[in-house]
Formats: sequence, structure tokens, C-alpha cells
Amino acid sequence: SAVISQKPSRDICQRGTSLTIQCQVDSQVTMMFWYRQQPGQSLTLIATANQGSEATYESGFVIDKFPISRPNLTFSTLTVSNMSPEDSSIYLCSVEDRSGQGSPHNYGYTFGSGTRLTVV
Amino acid sequence: KQEVTQIPAALSVPEGENLVLNCSFTDSAIYNLQWFRQDPGKGLTSLLLIQSSQREQTSGRLNASLDKSSGRSTLYIAASQPGDSATYLCAVLGDYKLSFGAGTTVTVRA
Repeated sequence: SAVISQKPSRDICQRGTSLTIQCQVDSQVTMMFWYRQQPGQSLTLIATANQGSEATYESGFVIDKFPISRPNLTFSTLTVSNMSPEDSSIYLCSVEDRSGQGSPHNYGYTFGSGTRLTVV
Repeated sequence: KQEVTQIPAALSVPEGENLVLNCSFTDSAIYNLQWFRQDPGKGLTSLLLIQSSQREQTSGRLNASLDKSSGRSTLYIAASQPGDSATYLCAVLGDYKLSFGAGTTVTVRA
């Protein structure tokens, strides 16, 4: 399965600043997914990033707050802009695991190691 | 909208006891179900992937069953060890989106 390198692993940031999180995959992938996990909660999908097109955002998430770049098929960044303490969460990227069966319906998913963000 | 529920929310057992973690989902139109492990403050590690046409998957001490028609999956961990202490998440895939449960936090006491 794909291996994802995610940076930084953790950061403490001042409110009003921005943080950019990077994910590098060891193979080419069509879609990359960005998730947020608030303290004590499960994962919520922020957006899906396709190479060469605008990211698709889920309800409740907007591009101005979470701009995403996808310059090639192995790399993506998520920026958390104008941060407030409510943005303190773990942010994770994910890709489809295509090492098994051929149909997209059979794919599992692989996740990065996460970025633990604390906004003070 | 798919709702995924995991019961119990937390579980504490002595070392050596078998673990039973439950996951239920409201919409049975899923493609597959995946169990993950998450250590505190970390990312997700995939444990088992069950396709919608399968009834169970096994890997070492782990066994996961799937009853798609009743919207249930169970993860069994045999002969638990302190290193099994973590949060276990189940996720179902439908319409190319994963829906996650809130997780079961497991503590295995030495």
C-alpha cells in the first residue's frame, strides 16, 4: 500500500496566523483527502484534492479558511488560515489503497501520521 | 446520511482477555468496511478491510466479521496485550466517501 509522509507532526501556533501541512505520497494517486479530527471526536472530511483542478469542499468547510494545493500526483498541502483556538485538532491526509482489488469500490484507505495542531 | 456507531466508547480489560468491539451503520449500501487503530495524537493504521461481499477477514490475532444486511461489524482481538491499548475506529465506504464511527478506546492492563 501507499506510504504517506505528513509534516509537521505537531505545532503550536498563535491565533490569527496560518499553518501549512504537507503530505507526500510514495506513488502517484488521483485523489487525496484531507480530514479534521477535533478533540474527542471522529474524523470529518474537509475536502478532496484532485491534481489539476480545484479541491472539492464538504459542507461547512470553505476554501478561504482551508486552501489546498495539489501541484502533482504525489503531493498536496492544506493550509489552516487565520487560526483560532477552535481550529485545534488533528489534521490527516489520506489516499486510496489500490494495491488490492481492481475496482474503486474495493479500495481501502491509507492515512498519514497526522498533524496535531494547538492554537493558543 | 450514513451514521456509524461504535459501542462501547471505552473498554478496560486485563491482559490476556479477548476483546470484542462493535460497529453499526444505518445504510447497508456500502462497498466495504475498514477497521483502523489510532494511537493518541497520531494518524490511523489500517487493520482489516472487509469487502461488502465478504463475511469476515482475519489477520493474526485480529478477526473482523461483517453482516451487511443488519448493518453490523465486530472486531475480535484475541489474547489482548498492553500494546493493543489504542482507539479503534471503524469506517464504511459508500459513494466514494468514508464515514467514521467515534471509536472505542481500549486499555489493556498488565
